Amino acid sequence: DTAVSQTPKYLVTQMGNDKSIKCEQNLGHDTMYWYKQDSKKFLKIMFSYNNKELIINETVPNRFSPKSPDKAHLNLHINSLELGDSAVYFCASSHSDGVNTEAFFGQGTRLTVV
Amino acid sequence: AQSVSQHNHHVILSEAASLELGCNYSYGGTVNLFWYVQYPGQHLQLLLKYFSGDPLVKGIKGFEAEFIKSKFSFNLRKPSVQWSDTAEYFCAVKLGNTGKLIFGQGTTLQVKP
Repeated sequence: DTAVSQTPKYLVTQMGNDKSIKCEQNLGHDTMYWYKQDSKKFLKIMFSYNNKELIINETVPNRFSPKSPDKAHLNLHINSLELGDSAVYFCASSHSDGVNTEAFFGQGTRLTVV
Repeated sequence: AQSVSQHNHHVILSEAASLELGCNYSYGGTVNLFWYVQYPGQHLQLLLKYFSGDPLVKGIKGFEAEFIKSKFSFNLRKPSVQWSDTAEYFCAVKLGNTGKLIFGQGTTLQVKP
């Protein structure tokens, strides 16, 4: 069984469009994250939700809006897509209790804006 | 600001060679340390982690890492690499209990058969 699953795996779209990426985890974790991996493979956190509440919101354009309908799901909606949004987006999840927790990552969504 | 620095951007080795990838972080508080691997076209997988205790930690596939607190380092080692170890390797630090991971810029390891 896939622990953290993202859909779609690949997404090609035109500039100006609005798109969503979905993420689901079946690990019973209460915290979920979105990370962005740029063309140089650098990974940076974008958002974190704990029990449907936004707890980390890095400096991300407000065209990006995460939504967590429940603690097992964290979706990422992107408005007015730009060329610079092309990247691989990784969803992750972890337990929040205590310090000694590790994150599990999804397989990534490769977004290409043309 | 907190940061993670990986010294080697691109490493090329022959099979059976020994590997050491450097990782340093800048943060004075409690940290958890991780090494993740990303095989071509795949997601990030955890290689090993350090939370507390023995600073020498062993992970999957024969990898190990040593946490040296005084040097703020967490270097990854493997005595004998295989062609299948060709991948991107990321060092990451989790600060306190925020859950937020700060990644290094990654090291591309290419192992020649």
